[in-house]
Amino acid sequence: AQSVTQLGSHVSVSEGALVLLRCNYSSSVPPYLFWYVQYPNQGLQLLLKYTTGATLVKGINGFEAEFKKSETSFHLTKPSAHMSDAAEYFCAVSEPGGTSYGKLTFGQGTILTVHP
Amino acid sequence: NAGVTQTPKFQVLKTGQSMTLQCAQDMNHNSMYWYRQDPGMGLRLIYYSASEGTTDKGEVPNGYNVSRLNKREFSLRLESAAPSQTSVYFCASSERNRGSQETQYFGPGTRLLVL
Repeated sequence: AQSVTQLGSHVSVSEGALVLLRCNYSSSVPPYLFWYVQYPNQGLQLLLKYTTGATLVKGINGFEAEFKKSETSFHLTKPSAHMSDAAEYFCAVSEPGGTSYGKLTFGQGTILTVHP
Repeated sequence: NAGVTQTPKFQVLKTGQSMTLQCAQDMNHNSMYWYRQDPGMGLRLIYYSASEGTTDKGEVPNGYNVSRLNKREFSLRLESAAPSQTSVYFCASSERNRGSQETQYFGPGTRLLVL
């Protein structure tokens, strides 16, 4: 069974500082990996995803994430935080093929606060 | 395109009452999903429908039923609501493109309070 762990339920940064949100996964096969963002009172929207190929993935709003198979990690980063980045972020994993095809397993979420 | 729409946006029920949450998508997607979101637990899959005419249980199906009415619509029914079902419910859809892992597109959610 696959699982996702997001280290830190709350992360607080200053505007302009580096954003680092951590995600580790467990999966029996190399998974597909996703980061979603949820703004207050809204649904989730995709930030970026890794399926195959280049392990450094760039997403919307200046975010990127690197798939590290040896560390089973997919951490999300942004060089310079903006006030508009304040939201909850979810890491998710899906296993290719098999009966679980297409089903996402989500981490617990990390709330990002950005201070002026 | 409206994307994924959900009704109602907010609902209050008494224990034992029933209700149906509606979801529709206009993206011609094959797969649809129902999740519940609870604080500190992320999103958990209740039921999903890989294609029209099929439905399968997810991680937390107890107390729920679903209907894939047609390709566009996927409803979630609570037959006898319980306080433990107080949550935010999200519907999602995806194309299910076998060439790569598809993105799921989410609706705005339904906030349900069971007293």
